[in-house]
Amino acid sequence: GDSVTQMEGPVTLSEEAFLTINCTYTATGYPSLFWYVQYPGEGLQLLLKATKADDKGSNKGFEATYRKETTSFHLEKGSVQVSDSAVYFCALRREAAGNKLTFGGGTRVLVKP
Amino acid sequence: EPEVTQTPSHQVTQMGQEVILRCVPISNHLYFYWYRQILGQKVEFLVSFYNNEISEKSEIFDDQFSVERPDGSNFTLKIRSTKLEDSAMYFCASRELPNEQFFGPGTRLTVL
Repeated sequence: GDSVTQMEGPVTLSEEAFLTINCTYTATGYPSLFWYVQYPGEGLQLLLKATKADDKGSNKGFEATYRKETTSFHLEKGSVQVSDSAVYFCALRREAAGNKLTFGGGTRVLVKP
Repeated sequence: EPEVTQTPSHQVTQMGQEVILRCVPISNHLYFYWYRQILGQKVEFLVSFYNNEISEKSEIFDDQFSVERPDGSNFTLKIRSTKLEDSAMYFCASRELPNEQFFGPGTRLTVL
């Protein structure tokens, strides 16, 4: 079945550091890929997405490129801020699978001033 | 900007009691979902709903669970007889083809 694996946290960084969160997936066909963010005490917000191979999703300084050859969708940000402290979830969606989202385990990121 | 809303934000119940979690999806959306997140664990799919019927459900969604869209605006998740292991954050989401799902803020369910 479909699955998403992402690096375990917590990831602790200093402000302005470079952030990478690895995400790999297993799925048949051509899933769409997503990163969701969950700020403390809040629900899930879509951060960015990519719907086909080599697409790059970007938002709020975050980027991720859909790499079909490595089945990966790693999240990066060049200079993190304290306000980026959150839990980040990688997810996939296959239309043939009823469009439900399959999530990774989440990676907690803590940015210190 | 339209958003998915959920009530209550926190529900505390005794084991064996019935609970109903409520969601108001975005008004022109046609596809509805429930997910849950046990504390510290991954978000898990429970059920999807379209055209007044369940389109898919996970193995978690057993006979104790049911969903309903009673009045064209609310989308509810009922747990008939809660167990301790039902304690989790429950997220509702809605979607309009072909776009992504929008999530509500969640209801934290605590079963004592």
